[in-house]
Amino acid sequence: DIQMTQSPSSLSASVGDRVTITCRASQRISTYLNWYQQKPGKAPKLLIYAASSLQSGVPSRFSGSGSGTDFTLTISSLQPGDFATYYCQQSYTTPFTFGPGTKVYIK
Amino acid sequence: EVQLVESGGGLVQPGGSLRLSCSASGFTFSSYAMHWVRQAPGKGLEYVSATSSDGGTTYYADSVKGRFTISRDNSRNTLYLQMSSLRAEDTAVYYCVKDVPCSGTSCYMGYFDYWGQGTLVTVSS
Repeated sequence: DIQMTQSPSSLSASVGDRVTITCRASQRISTYLNWYQQKPGKAPKLLIYAASSLQSGVPSRFSGSGSGTDFTLTISSLQPGDFATYYCQQSYTTPFTFGPGTKVYIK
Repeated sequence: EVQLVESGGGLVQPGGSLRLSCSASGFTFSSYAMHWVRQAPGKGLEYVSATSSDGGTTYYADSVKGRFTISRDNSRNTLYLQMSSLRAEDTAVYYCVKDVPCSGTSCYMGYFDYWGQGTLVTVSS
């Protein structure tokens, strides 16, 4: 199975901050990498697919980059509704594994 | 509007069985692969199982292989997960998720544009 890791596991930030979360795959996965946002008590929401494509309806302050094994999710200017947990997920091969998550807290 | 509504969760004893259902609406159910993803309390997301759009191709994570069976009834727009020999470590919220479009009837793209609200399964004596 492909193992996904994320860093940091948590971070605190202020509204307006630029936030970067990294994700690493245990083997090369091209750009088969997706990002989800999950708020407490809610289902995850797809933000970015294929490493850098913005899902319909997702604000443009979210962006993704990377290929191979190393990927990044960037929030250009953190908004109050962005405090949540973010998961990366590979769709290169089954099982479609998720990273452990990065929790973004209010500073 | 796409809707996925899970049901069937609850409290079950170790070794017991449970069948989850997911009722889909707002899209052509028979055209999309579907999956189950679970989340143990306070933990991350774990991929569980998949079925292709025609039900002819299925996948199971090692953790549930031989104990869980995924199926679908395209005439009823419903996805199922039959769970047996349940263990404490199966305790989780189970999400029904819709795959994005792929070419053909036996493929998965493996990322998920719509999720249900989840149904909680608790395995405990």
